[in-house]
Amino acid sequence: EAGVAQSPRYKIIEKRQSVAFWCNPISGHATLYWYQQILGQGPKLLIQFQNNGVVDDSQLPKDRFSAERLKGVDSTLKIQPAKLEDSAVYLCASSFMDEQFFGPGTRLTVL
Amino acid sequence: AQSVTQLDSHVSVSEGTPVLLRCNYSSSYSPSLFWYVQHPNKGLQLLLKYTSAATLVKGINGFEAEFKKSETSFHLTKPSAHMSDAAEYFCVVGSANQGGKLIFGQGTELSVKP
Repeated sequence: EAGVAQSPRYKIIEKRQSVAFWCNPISGHATLYWYQQILGQGPKLLIQFQNNGVVDDSQLPKDRFSAERLKGVDSTLKIQPAKLEDSAVYLCASSFMDEQFFGPGTRLTVL
Repeated sequence: AQSVTQLDSHVSVSEGTPVLLRCNYSSSYSPSLFWYVQHPNKGLQLLLKYTSAATLVKGINGFEAEFKKSETSFHLTKPSAHMSDAAEYFCVVGSANQGGKLIFGQGTELSVKP
């Protein structure tokens, strides 16, 4: 069974630029999550989708971050404009029952 | 509100000796508790989970954890460490009442010396 796919794996941008990350969950998983993991910390939930609807985006900085899951399958997370403090690993996960399966993440460096 | 505290940011053991990674949780609901492992440049992998069945939970790679409600703890143990166990370990609390939302601890880095 294929796991959660994410791309790109690494991205380096300058502050004030925009960036987008892509995630393809495990087939059949209705719930999709985006997490931000800053170096030395545990992952923090940014947004949770159930099919193509948002369940929880309370921790998403909506002035610069946006996410969509238009057809209820793959998802895109965008940052515009990026700040230095956005440097982190962005993890995508999908779930079946109560277990979440994580992708390898995208490491973002903002210079 | 839910939260989780990992009591050690770094633990170092010798190969073949026991491992103990400590975790305390706080939850207003009946919690689900998890331990995840993260090897360098790899995704998070579920080690084990507690969901109100047996209080002693066995996971992969010889790890186990015991749910102690009176102490609000969920410590991770392994009788004998292997070099391949070196990684970052996260204690996680979740609740079906909150749509399966997971709250991660800060992580414990486990080092294994030969």
